[in-house]
Amino acid sequence: DIQMTQSPSSLSASVGDRVTITCRASQNIRNYVNWYQQKPGKAPQLLIYVTSNLRSGVPSRFSGGGSGTDFTLTVGTLQPDDFATYYCQQAYSSPWTFGQGTQLEI
Amino acid sequence: EVQLVESGGGRVQPGGSLRLSCVASGFTFNDFAMHWVRHVPGKGLEWVSGISWNTDTIGYADSVRGRFTVTRDNAKNSLYLEMNSLARADTAVYYCARSPGGYSLPRFDIWGQGTLVTVSS
Repeated sequence: DIQMTQSPSSLSASVGDRVTITCRASQNIRNYVNWYQQKPGKAPQLLIYVTSNLRSGVPSRFSGGGSGTDFTLTVGTLQPDDFATYYCQQAYSSPWTFGQGTQLEI
Repeated sequence: EVQLVESGGGRVQPGGSLRLSCVASGFTFNDFAMHWVRHVPGKGLEWVSGISWNTDTIGYADSVRGRFTVTRDNAKNSLYLEMNSLARADTAVYYCARSPGGYSLPRFDIWGQGTLVTVSS
């Protein structure tokens, strides 16, 4: 199985900051990584797919990059609504695995 | 409105069984692969199982293979997860999720609200 390792596990930031979350795959997954945002008590929401494609309706302050084994999710200017937990997910081979999550806190 | 609504969760004793259901609305159900993903309280997300639109491809996580069975009924716009030999480690919120395209290269673009399964004596 492909392991997805996110860093950091938690991150403290302020409104207006720029933050980057990293996800490392245990093997080359080309560009098949997706990113999700989850708030407490809510279902996850897809933000970015296939490394850098912004899902319709997602603010442009979210961006993704990387390839192979190393990927990033960047939030350009943090807004109050962005404080949540973020997960990467590899879509290269089954079983489809997630990172352990990054909790973004104020 | 595009929507997925799960049901069937609850409390069950170790070794017991449950059947989860997920009803889709607002889109053409048989155009999409469907998946089950669970969230253990205080922990992360775990993909559980998936099924292609025509049931040709079905997959399971190692942790549930042989105990869980995924099915779908396209005429009823419904997805199911039959869970047997439940263990405490299966306690989680279970989500159904839609994936555009085929079974491969999944991205989960629509999720249900989740249904809580608690395995406890």
